[in-house]
Amino acid sequence: RKEVEQDPGPFNVPEGATVAFNCTYSNSASQSFFWYRQDCRKEPKLLMSVYSSGNEDGRFTAQLNRASQYISLLIRDSKLSDSATYLCVVNLNTGKLIFGQGTELSVKP
Amino acid sequence: DAGITQSPRHKVTETGTPVTLRCHQTENHRYMYWYRQDPGHGLRLIHYSYGVKDTDKGEVSDGYSVSRSKTEDFLLTLESATSSQTSVYFCAISVGQGAGKDGYTFGSGTRLTVV
Repeated sequence: RKEVEQDPGPFNVPEGATVAFNCTYSNSASQSFFWYRQDCRKEPKLLMSVYSSGNEDGRFTAQLNRASQYISLLIRDSKLSDSATYLCVVNLNTGKLIFGQGTELSVKP
Repeated sequence: DAGITQSPRHKVTETGTPVTLRCHQTENHRYMYWYRQDPGHGLRLIHYSYGVKDTDKGEVSDGYSVSRSKTEDFLLTLESATSSQTSVYFCAISVGQGAGKDGYTFGSGTRLTVV
């Protein structure tokens, strides 16, 4: 079983749609959690950290369920510029980040 | 953005030759990492460093070595390049001084092709 699992997609959605990505992790000792965004042929960039209480940044909402070892990212009112690959990332207590393979999002006009 | 640069940005090399990739940071961060990214595998940790001359192996370290003689530079060497090492290589530093607790910042990557 992979340490961090994501649905690879692609998710093809129209502009304005709401889309949700899910991620599960296997190591219950994981300490911190993130969503990264990666554009084609570019480096991954930190989108947001994920906290147990949930957190929101504009159109983006991240949730963490430690009991189920599950992380989610919700994007509301999708824009063309949201098209990218979204990486679920987990920090083990060793300090090393473990990356999921990513979920590809394509927002169409 | 954090001051992290990778060089070269692109390289084509022949099988069997040694290759060194450089990661340079201006942030005085303690933790630095080398990842490779391949289709179907995502980002996989090759080696990491937690200080000058302190390094450790990641999950795909075979065929790679690293050195960190100064805080600002973390070098990745392919001792004898093989076609399976064709990949995109990313260097990363921890955000803040913690060991990834607040995430990483990545360099722009090096596209390496071994022919």
